[in-house]
Amino acid sequence: DIVMTQTPLSLSVTPGQPASISCKSSQSLLHSDGKTYLYWYLQKPGQPPQLLIYEVSNRFSGVPDRFSGSGSGTDFTLKISRVEAEDVGVYYCMQSIQLPRTFGGGTKVEIK
Amino acid sequence: EVQLVESGGVVVQPGGSLRLSCAASGFTFDDYAMHWVRQAPGKGLEWVSLISWDGGSTYYADSVKGRFTISRDNSKNSLYLQMNSLRAEDTALYYCAKDMTTVSYDAFDIWGQGTMVTVSS
Repeated sequence: DIVMTQTPLSLSVTPGQPASISCKSSQSLLHSDGKTYLYWYLQKPGQPPQLLIYEVSNRFSGVPDRFSGSGSGTDFTLKISRVEAEDVGVYYCMQSIQLPRTFGGGTKVEIK
Repeated sequence: EVQLVESGGVVVQPGGSLRLSCAASGFTFDDYAMHWVRQAPGKGLEWVSLISWDGGSTYYADSVKGRFTISRDNSKNSLYLQMNSLRAEDTALYYCAKDMTTVSYDAFDIWGQGTMVTVSS
């Protein structure tokens, strides 16, 4: 199984400041079709996860442009350019290049 | 509006059985593979199972293989998870989730609100 490792475990951010979350996979997520199957989800308190970013850097429908994803191979980053109060929750990365789908352990983002 | 609504979660004794359901609406259900994902209390996300658009292919996490069975009824826009030989470690909020693509298996773009399964004597 592909192991997904996220850092840090938690972040406390002042509103308006940037935030960055790292995700590393134990195997390359680059497929022979040229796509890289790395996704980011946000689980707000008391809610199901919601898709933020697909295939490393594509924002899902309705996701604000303050969220951006980057990376390649086994190393990926989610950045929030200016954190807002509504961004609190747990962020998960996930790979879909192979089964079983596996998630990172999560990064909890709080507002200072 | 695309919507997934899970049901069937209850408190069940170890060794017991349970069937979860997920009602889908707002999209062409039989175009998409579907997944079950679970989350133990206070823990992270664990993928459980996948079923192809036509039900012809199914896949399971090792932790549930041989005990859980995923199925679907496209005429009813419904997804199911039959859970047998339940263990305490199966206690979790179970989400159904829609696959993103119609051409293969990918990540999940829409999730339900979840249904809680508690395995306890």
